[in-house]
Amino acid sequence: GAVVSQHPSWVICKSGTSVKIECRSLDFQATTMFWYRQFPKQSLMLMATSNEGSKATYEQGVEKDKFLINHASLTLSTLTVTSAHPEDSSFYICSAESSTDTQYFGPGTRLTVL
Amino acid sequence: GESVGLHLPTLSVQEGDNSIINCAYSNSASDYFIWYKQESGKGPQFIIDIRSNMDKRQGQRVTVLLNKTVKHLSLQIAATQPGDSAVYFCAESSNTGRRALTFGSGTRLQVQP
Repeated sequence: GAVVSQHPSWVICKSGTSVKIECRSLDFQATTMFWYRQFPKQSLMLMATSNEGSKATYEQGVEKDKFLINHASLTLSTLTVTSAHPEDSSFYICSAESSTDTQYFGPGTRLTVL
Repeated sequence: GESVGLHLPTLSVQEGDNSIINCAYSNSASDYFIWYKQESGKGPQFIIDIRSNMDKRQGQRVTVLLNKTVKHLSLQIAATQPGDSAVYFCAESSNTGRRALTFGSGTRLQVQP
């Protein structure tokens, strides 16, 4: 149980385009999901907290207009990187919070912006 | 600011030995701690957690120790196997504040066959 999926697992896009990443909790409902970013050989850094049915809460320094988050259902949150640039290339990881407050992580999405 | 950090960036052990990975945290309000294992190109995998009302918790081959007095957390892996090779992160949160996790910088565990 407690499986979280992400789609796509990797994506390559041109600079200036937008990319949508999906995060799904497959066997449990999650009112809260989190989005993290991880650069090579570094730790995970929280970008935003996604709450079902309400606006996301962004961490300081994360542009909400650039990283659009939508949490329309209890099993799905999406992160859209708008007007992506090479510096946005990173490993994006989501997590979903279970009813016991345990966070289960997705497998991550590798974004490469050319 | 508040942070969670690790003492050793890389730990190399022989197969069959026990491994100990350490973590220091600075947020005195933290009351929930988790250890994650991350293999290359994958998301973090939950290993074991502990709440602040405990000082020790055991799982299968793993034990987490919490010393709130010195704000120190450790992960012990018994009979380390090559499949244990990965980067291990400690993370913490506070139930009285936001529930998002703050991650430490990670320790790479290398198991020599």
